Amino acid sequence: EDQVTQSPEALRLQEGESSSLNCSYTVSGLRGLFWYRQDPGKGPEFLFTLYSAGEEKEKERLKATLTKKESFLHITAPKPEDSATYLCAVQVRPGGSYIPTFGRGTSLIVHP
Amino acid sequence: DTGVSQNPRHKITKRGQNVTFRCDPISEHNRLYWYRQTLGQGPEFLTYFQNEAQLEKSRLLSDRFSAERPKGSFSTLEIQRTEQGDSAMYLCASSLQEGGTEAFFGQGTRLTVV
Repeated sequence: EDQVTQSPEALRLQEGESSSLNCSYTVSGLRGLFWYRQDPGKGPEFLFTLYSAGEEKEKERLKATLTKKESFLHITAPKPEDSATYLCAVQVRPGGSYIPTFGRGTSLIVHP
Repeated sequence: DTGVSQNPRHKITKRGQNVTFRCDPISEHNRLYWYRQTLGQGPEFLTYFQNEAQLEKSRLLSDRFSAERPKGSFSTLEIQRTEQGDSAMYLCASSLQEGGTEAFFGQGTRLTVV
């Protein structure tokens, strides 16, 4: 059973064309939700942590929001250098382990 | 501290050989995770340590896989009798404490089994 589902799987945008990536989760006892960026052949790079519904975090052209069932990563006026795979992870506490569980990611390509 | 360090970055091995990867976490982090990632997938949890104690292992971690973290510092992941299906990116991450803190990843070790 998938705990974290990301959509779309792939997204192509023109430079300057704003959009949103979705991360929906079906877990209880959410301790934290994390967004990462991953470039090809590299490890994930941490972007944001969200803890509770209604929380928002921003960094440059990226803004992450959280509801009780999903999170959005909004990309405003993207540039080609924003092209990457964006991963979402949830941290729950089944049995007290707090192990981050990842979705499959959204592959974003921004064309100049 | 420059972050989580993994070595080697790339490893090509013949099927049946043993391989060992090393991870040096951020120095003050007491949690260390190993993940595996294949093309088009998100990282899949393998195992984690709290200091030197290995507290949980995924069922993905067959008996050919073993991980250690002596003295709660660096960690090694060994794969015995490698198979072609073991080809993947092996990622190490560390975090400061248990719940609600982000994990920071290394650059990964790309394993190719031929």
